[in-house]
Amino acid sequence: QKEVEQNSGPLSVPEGAIASLNCTYSDRGSQSFFWYRQYSGKSPELIMSIYSNGDKEDGRFTAQLNKASQYVSLLIRDSQPSDSATYLCAVLTNQAGTALIFGKGTTLSVSS
Amino acid sequence: KAGVTQTPRYLIKTRGQQVTLSCSPISGHRSVSWYQQTPGQGLQFLFEYFSETQRNKGNFPGRFSGRQFSNSRSEMNVSTLELGDSALYLCASSLGGKDEQYFGPGTRLTVT
Repeated sequence: QKEVEQNSGPLSVPEGAIASLNCTYSDRGSQSFFWYRQYSGKSPELIMSIYSNGDKEDGRFTAQLNKASQYVSLLIRDSQPSDSATYLCAVLTNQAGTALIFGKGTTLSVSS
Repeated sequence: KAGVTQTPRYLIKTRGQQVTLSCSPISGHRSVSWYQQTPGQGLQFLFEYFSETQRNKGNFPGRFSGRQFSNSRSEMNVSTLELGDSALYLCASSLGGKDEQYFGPGTRLTVT
């Protein structure tokens, strides 16, 4: 079982819709979870961090964490074509210490 | 506050050569981590430096090494380059390592 798993996509949504991106992780002791956005040819950009169970909202983005189910998700409301990118889920696990463990990423395409 | 900077942005090297990449973290950040990104393997952790000491290391051969200076700037060295070392090398800085990591623009290394 891979440590951090994401559906590779592509996930296609129309402009204005809600995009839902999902991530599961295997280390039950993981404490810190991050979502990065990466445009083609660019480096990852941190968009959300979440450390405790529940929801965390920042503008159009909401991160959701369920440690019991080992599941973290990112919702993007009112999706815009500029949101089209690859979204990377990253986890700091107890085993890996300071090393971020990344999923392979989900490609999101927002059509106008 | 200035972001993470990396130099050079692009490099073309020949098999067998060595290369040194540089990273300047965000002011006040003491932890610098290095990652390799390839289409096949995704983002993989190389190593992390904190207060001039390598604190964490990923599963890469000894040809990959690094160091950190007293001003927190870091360098990464790859010796005896192989074709498979062609990748985007990313540096990330954080306050202490187990918190939010911010990536630089990366160095695109091509080995021919």
